[in-house]
Amino acid sequence: AQSVTQLGSHVSVSEGALVLLRCNYSSSVPPYLFWYVQYPNQGLQLLLKYTSAATLVKGINDFEAEFKKSETSFHLTKPSAHMSDAAEYFCAVSLGNTGFQKLVFGTGTRLLVSP
Amino acid sequence: ETGVTQTPRHLVMGMTNKKSLKCEQHLGHNAMYWYKQSAKKPLELMFVYSLEERVENNSVPSRFSPECPNSSHLFLHLHTLQPEDSALYLCASSQKPGGTGELFFGEGSRLTVL
Repeated sequence: AQSVTQLGSHVSVSEGALVLLRCNYSSSVPPYLFWYVQYPNQGLQLLLKYTSAATLVKGINDFEAEFKKSETSFHLTKPSAHMSDAAEYFCAVSLGNTGFQKLVFGTGTRLLVSP
Repeated sequence: ETGVTQTPRHLVMGMTNKKSLKCEQHLGHNAMYWYKQSAKKPLELMFVYSLEERVENNSVPSRFSPECPNSSHLFLHLHTLQPEDSALYLCASSQKPGGTGELFFGEGSRLTVL
């Protein structure tokens, strides 16, 4: 079975600093990987996804993530944090849409951005 | 209207009430999901409806009852809930078969049980 581990329940950065949110996955076969963002009192919104086409994936709002098979990682980065990036971020893994395969989510990382 | 729409956005109910949450998707998907999001806990998958089949998490209490009358609509019927059921309930949809498993979420229904 697949699983996801997000290191750090909270990450604090200053505005303009690099954002790095960590995600490691476990999967017996090549997975699909996702990052979702959740703003307060809202649902989850897809930031980006890895579907084996390219290891470096670019998403919305200048976020990107790199799939590293050797490290079983899919860390999320952004060069320069904005105040509006403050939210909770979820990494998720899927083996694709076979039968009732579903997304397995990590426990989330709350990003705090200070002026 | 596009995407996944959930109503109501906020609901307060007593333990003896009966209420329902509604979800509607306008994406042409054929699978719909209910997730529960509680503070400081991982997202919990409650129910999946896919191509008229239902899969449920066996740990979900029977006081939660889903209904999926067609591929665009999903309900979660609530009765005799407990205060610990207070949470954000998220609906999602996806396309099966094929695809990557990506889910499209609604904005959630915030439930408070008094």
